[in-house]
Amino acid sequence: EVQLVESGGGLVQPGGSLRLSCAASGFTFSSNGMTWVRQAPGKGLDWVSIITGGGDNTYYADSVKGRFTMSRDNSKNTLYLQMNSLRAEDTAVYYCAKGGSAPSFWGKGTTVTVSS
Amino acid sequence: DIVMTQTPLSLSVTPGQPASISCKSSQSLLHSDGKTYLSWYLQKPGQPPQSLIYEVSNRFSGVPDRFSGSGSGTDFTLKISRVEAEDVGVYYCMQSVQLPRTFGPGTKVDIK
Repeated sequence: EVQLVESGGGLVQPGGSLRLSCAASGFTFSSNGMTWVRQAPGKGLDWVSIITGGGDNTYYADSVKGRFTMSRDNSKNTLYLQMNSLRAEDTAVYYCAKGGSAPSFWGKGTTVTVSS
Repeated sequence: DIVMTQTPLSLSVTPGQPASISCKSSQSLLHSDGKTYLSWYLQKPGQPPQSLIYEVSNRFSGVPDRFSGSGSGTDFTLKISRVEAEDVGVYYCMQSVQLPRTFGPGTKVDIK
C-alpha cells in the first residue's frame, strides 16, 4: 500500500525557514519523480516543485524559485522541501505526491503558517 | 505559463444523474511524444486530493468506471455517468505538458 506522510509544518515568522519531509513507503521510491503542491486556505491547488527519481533535476514555480529547495534521500525513502525567506503568502497546506507528471497518489499534507 | 480554465465553477447534481466538467488550456497539451498531458483530481471536503484520470482518458488504479475523460488539444471533459453522494467535492484539471505545471481553478460539485 502506497503511503506518503508529510511532516515539519508549523508556525514561522516572516523571513524564517522550515524544512518539510515526506516519508514514502509501498512503492519503489527511487524510480519515481515526486511533486510538492500547496493549497492556501480556501484556495485551489498550486504546483510548487518536482524532482526526478534520481534527484538530479528539480524544477520550481517562479513564486518559490530561489527560496525553496526540493531534495530527496533515496536511501531513506524521504522527500524534502527546504523553505527559506518565508512570506505570508506561503501559508498553505503542503502536499507531497507520487509522480512528476500526473501525480498518482497524495499525502495528507502538512500545514505551514507564516505569521508574526 | 499555460492557463487552465474550467466551466462551470459550481455544479449541483441529482444523484444518479450524469455530470460534465469542461477544462480548457491556453495552449495545446499534445506533447511531441504523442501523448496529451491532461489529468483530473478530486478533492473531497476535508481531504487531500485524489487522482482520477491521467493523459486525458486513463483512469488511475481504483477509480470507478463512472468517471471518464475525453478531449484533445486544448479542450477536455470529465464526465461522471451517474453521480453518487461520495462524488461531492472540488474537481481540478492539471496540465503537465510543460513546466510549470498548472491547475484549473476547480469546479465545486455538490448534491441537490
